[in-house]
Amino acid sequence: GAVVSQHPSWVICKSGTSVKIECRSLDFQATTMFWYRQFPKQSLMLMATSNEGSKATYEQGVEKDKFLINHASLTLSTLTVTSAHPEDSSFYICSAETEYSNQPQHFGDGTRLSIL
Amino acid sequence: AQTVTQSQPEMSVQEAETVTLSCTYDTSENNYYLFWYKQPPSRQMILVIRQEAYKQQNATENRFSVNFQKAAKSFSLKISDSQLGDTAMYFCAFINAGGTSYGKLTFGQGTILTVHP
Repeated sequence: GAVVSQHPSWVICKSGTSVKIECRSLDFQATTMFWYRQFPKQSLMLMATSNEGSKATYEQGVEKDKFLINHASLTLSTLTVTSAHPEDSSFYICSAETEYSNQPQHFGDGTRLSIL
Repeated sequence: AQTVTQSQPEMSVQEAETVTLSCTYDTSENNYYLFWYKQPPSRQMILVIRQEAYKQQNATENRFSVNFQKAAKSFSLKISDSQLGDTAMYFCAFINAGGTSYGKLTFGQGTILTVHP
């Protein structure tokens, strides 16, 4: 079945640094990938839609300059949290769109980001 | 825009018993899919069951079944013979079926289900 790999699974870093999270579709091509943010005991909040070869589409209220998204190939999208601060600490999940209606998105296992 | 509402923030059930999680949605579309996802403490998103809007028959996957009421825009999940491993947060989700791309999944707020031994 379709597999989405997300890396790293957990990262701790100092305030002010930038952190890159990778999302790879391992056995299928994904023209579109999605990035979500999730706070404890809350739902997934869509941050942006990542389209291969073009600019990402950000949801209202999401800072484009803070959360940089690059989708340079059909199997890789990256989310870079720039100049991270403690309030950026959260769980980030990516998903890759498939062409199959029985499961239109495959999810990565998520990245737990902690900013000290 | 579509909305999905889960009105039960938390539910609990005894092992081996049955529990039903509620979900309602609002859309002007006629062709769409509905899903229930499970997110255990590991935080993986696991697809539990899906329903095509054009199908009248309710979907069933082993111990999991849905009650899909299209006119009422209701999509509840029934878990029979609950097991400890069913303890998780459950999300109801909606996606359009039309167009060249499925686009965004719209999630409900989630229901935390705890199965007690």
